[in-house]
Amino acid sequence: NAGVTQTPKFRILKIGQSMTLQCTQDMNHNYMYWYRQDPGMGLKLIYYSVGAGITDKGEVPNGYNVSRSTTEDFPLRLELAAPSQTSVYFCASSTGGRTEAFFGQGTRLTVV
Amino acid sequence: ELKVEQNPLFLSMQEGKNYTIYCNYSTTSDRLYWYRQDPGKSLESLFVLLSNGAVKQEGRLMASLDTKARLSTLHITAAVHDLSVTYFCAGMTTDSWGKLQFGAGTQVVVTP
Repeated sequence: NAGVTQTPKFRILKIGQSMTLQCTQDMNHNYMYWYRQDPGMGLKLIYYSVGAGITDKGEVPNGYNVSRSTTEDFPLRLELAAPSQTSVYFCASSTGGRTEAFFGQGTRLTVV
Repeated sequence: ELKVEQNPLFLSMQEGKNYTIYCNYSTTSDRLYWYRQDPGKSLESLFVLLSNGAVKQEGRLMASLDTKARLSTLHITAAVHDLSVTYFCAGMTTDSWGKLQFGAGTQVVVTP
């Protein structure tokens, strides 16, 4: 059982480049989330989705976009990468709003 | 807006002694989670606390929740080296979307 899978695990981007962080889950969870974790800090919510076709902004959405065309996948798009987006990104999923979230292994992104 | 404050941010423990990590939150939270994070790894759920007075225990860790004081504590009994990780508490917003608001984390180092 794979759970929540994130790719890539590591990536270095140059300022101004774009990339997509992939997240897929095989648990048929409706709810999915993207968080970022800066060094020495807790996680902050970027975007979330409560089902295919439904997304909404979290606490720190600027510089990011998401889409949710299937239940399984919730990619996070970075346009025009900036050094402030250097962080570890975690994707999570849950069956519903009141249930425990399962986290992926994270993507460590460095923007130089 | 739910805010979560954790303290201390760093805790140096001696093996065999007892310690407590505190987690205060600012407004009504639907539930309170505790996670552990090994360096460079993802988050692993430890406890979910659902109601006032809830107490959960697993091995040397015990978590409790006082909703009136808006306080959760994580008590570590007879610390051992393999508890040297970062602990996060997180409150869940009451809007049914399952969004988590994390504390900054407590980095624990257990020494002989």
